[in-house]
Amino acid sequence: NAGVTQTPKFQVLKTGQSMTLQCAQDMNHEYMSWYRQDPGMGLRLIHYSVGAGITDQGEVPNGYNVSRSTTEDFPLRLLSAAPSQTSVYFCASNPRGHTEAFFGQGTRLTVV
Amino acid sequence: KQEVTQIPAALSVPEGENLVLNCSFTDSAIYNLQWFRQDPGKGLTSLLLIQSSQREQTSGRLNASLDKSSGRSTLYIAASQPGDSATYLCAVRRWNFGNEKLTFGTGTRLTIIP
Repeated sequence: NAGVTQTPKFQVLKTGQSMTLQCAQDMNHEYMSWYRQDPGMGLRLIHYSVGAGITDQGEVPNGYNVSRSTTEDFPLRLLSAAPSQTSVYFCASNPRGHTEAFFGQGTRLTVV
Repeated sequence: KQEVTQIPAALSVPEGENLVLNCSFTDSAIYNLQWFRQDPGKGLTSLLLIQSSQREQTSGRLNASLDKSSGRSTLYIAASQPGDSATYLCAVRRWNFGNEKLTFGTGTRLTIIP
């Protein structure tokens, strides 16, 4: 059981480039979320989804897009990378019903 | 807006000691609270989940308590070991609309001194 899988683990981008961070879960969870973790600020919610075809914005959505075409996958797209998007990104999933959340291993992104 | 605070930001204790980590939150309308462990450069590992109707949860040497009315949770670690060194994060989930979201504290970095 792989749980929540994120790729890539590390990425360096130049300002203005675009890229997609991948997230997949094999637990058939309805809820999936993207967080970013910055020093001294904790994890902040970027976007979330409560099911295939349904997404919504979190606390810090600007500069990011998401889509959820399947239950398993929830990619995060950076449209035009900026140095302020240098961070560690975590994907999480949990079943409906307020139960335990499971996190991926993270993607460390540096924008130069 | 829910705010979650963890104090202290860092803590060092000798091996073998019992210790308590603190988590406080401003909005008591929570559905559950989850404690995580994060090792340097790694992801989050779930330690304990406490539903709002519960007072505490135990797993091995770990015991987490929840006092919703005062907006506080504690994580008790018994007989600490060097392998317990990590950052500990708490997160709360809202009661109603928005319950798909977790609000995190900034964590306590724990160092166990051999």
